[in-house]
Amino acid sequence: DQQVKQNSPSLSVQEGRISILNCDYTNSMFDYFLWYKKYPAEGPTFLISISSIKDKNEDGRFTVFLNKSAKHLSLHIVPSQPGDSAVYFCAASEGSGTYKYIFGTGTRLKVLA
Amino acid sequence: EADIYQTPRYLVIGTGKKITLECSQTMGHDKMYWYQQDPGMELHLIHYSYGVNSTEKGDLSSESTVSRIRTEHFPLTLESARPSHTSQYLCASSEFGQGAPEAFFGQGTRLTVV
Repeated sequence: DQQVKQNSPSLSVQEGRISILNCDYTNSMFDYFLWYKKYPAEGPTFLISISSIKDKNEDGRFTVFLNKSAKHLSLHIVPSQPGDSAVYFCAASEGSGTYKYIFGTGTRLKVLA
Repeated sequence: EADIYQTPRYLVIGTGKKITLECSQTMGHDKMYWYQQDPGMELHLIHYSYGVNSTEKGDLSSESTVSRIRTEHFPLTLESARPSHTSQYLCASSEFGQGAPEAFFGQGTRLTVV
């Protein structure tokens, strides 16, 4: 059973607008959530993380929101740029447990110029 | 910038050959990971290590083996490659538990077994 789910396989957004990528999880023991960006044939690049004790973390154009009661998090990119076009993976980890990272299936974001 | 390196980047090899995928990091991280990813799929954890002489199997069963003799080095070996092993292999490291929670990934190795 998938513990981290990204239900939207793809998303297209106009340049300059907001991109919202969503992620759901089932394991209430996760205490850190992370977003990664990945280009084909490259390794994932870390973008931003959030601790489970927070509900928002912001870094430049990237903001992650966490709703623990709904077991849902989202990544907002504002404004979206063509260079943001990539696959975005949501990941979760038990920091006080196994330190393993569980990844979702990814959402392909295409930012249209 | 992450200092974690994987070699080779691309490898095409015949069935039955033994291969070793190299992964090295210069950040002194104690935790290292190997993930396998097929196109359009999630990253599946196949091996991880908490430090020297520590190796654990991940959530996805794999015929590969790993070793951790030095902190900076975490090679993955396939004794007899098969076409079903064709995939992208991603190595990562982190200081999770003693520092920031994020893992840093190498560039990956794209393995094709023919």
